[in-house]
Amino acid sequence: SQQGEEDPQALSIQEGENATMNCSYKTSINNLQWYRQNSGRGLVHLILIRSNEREKHSGRLRVTLDTSKKSSSLLITASRAADTASYFCATATRGSTLGRLYFGRGTQLTVWP
Amino acid sequence: EPEVTQTPSHQVTQMGQEVILRCVPISNHLYFYWYRQILGQKVEFLVSFYNNEISEKSEIFDDQFSVERPDGSNFTLKIRSTKLEDSAMYFCASSDWSYNEQFFGPGTRLTVL
Repeated sequence: SQQGEEDPQALSIQEGENATMNCSYKTSINNLQWYRQNSGRGLVHLILIRSNEREKHSGRLRVTLDTSKKSSSLLITASRAADTASYFCATATRGSTLGRLYFGRGTQLTVWP
Repeated sequence: EPEVTQTPSHQVTQMGQEVILRCVPISNHLYFYWYRQILGQKVEFLVSFYNNEISEKSEIFDDQFSVERPDGSNFTLKIRSTKLEDSAMYFCASSDWSYNEQFFGPGTRLTVL
């Protein structure tokens, strides 16, 4: 399987704490994208990191990529109750026409006020 | 901010009926995708589309499925004869380049009875 797999499956933290989610994948990638999904809703794009990048930031989000370990992590700093959602990593593999994405099962993040 | 839109938000149909799911991608995007998410499962790729033709399709995208860009703004997914197992959330996505961010619409929840 080429799909990313997130870890942990569920994460429960208090507001103000940091949340770290991990993603592992199996094949060479062109890029890896993180998405958020509120229950039953659409997928919101968070950040894209390319295979030649090691770290990217966007607001309270920090994403790292280690291609030697085929893994990525998403860090949300100073979490808020509104961050409660499922978070997915999706990989675009090398050689895939038009960058088809393979999704993992997601991490369900719950942030308690 | 430009966004992908999808209609209807919810479609209920009888098994064997045809359904057409509609999407309006972001206006300057040229790459279009359909994905689906069966309740509780991963988001799965169905098809990618560029320059008025299918670029890649998954094993899910059999002869019952078709896609079309009937005009300069719409992108449709047709299921010719729906089955119970077609019940899922269907997402349209678009991108301005094959390996750039894919932006997803809010989804159409298809329920086949």
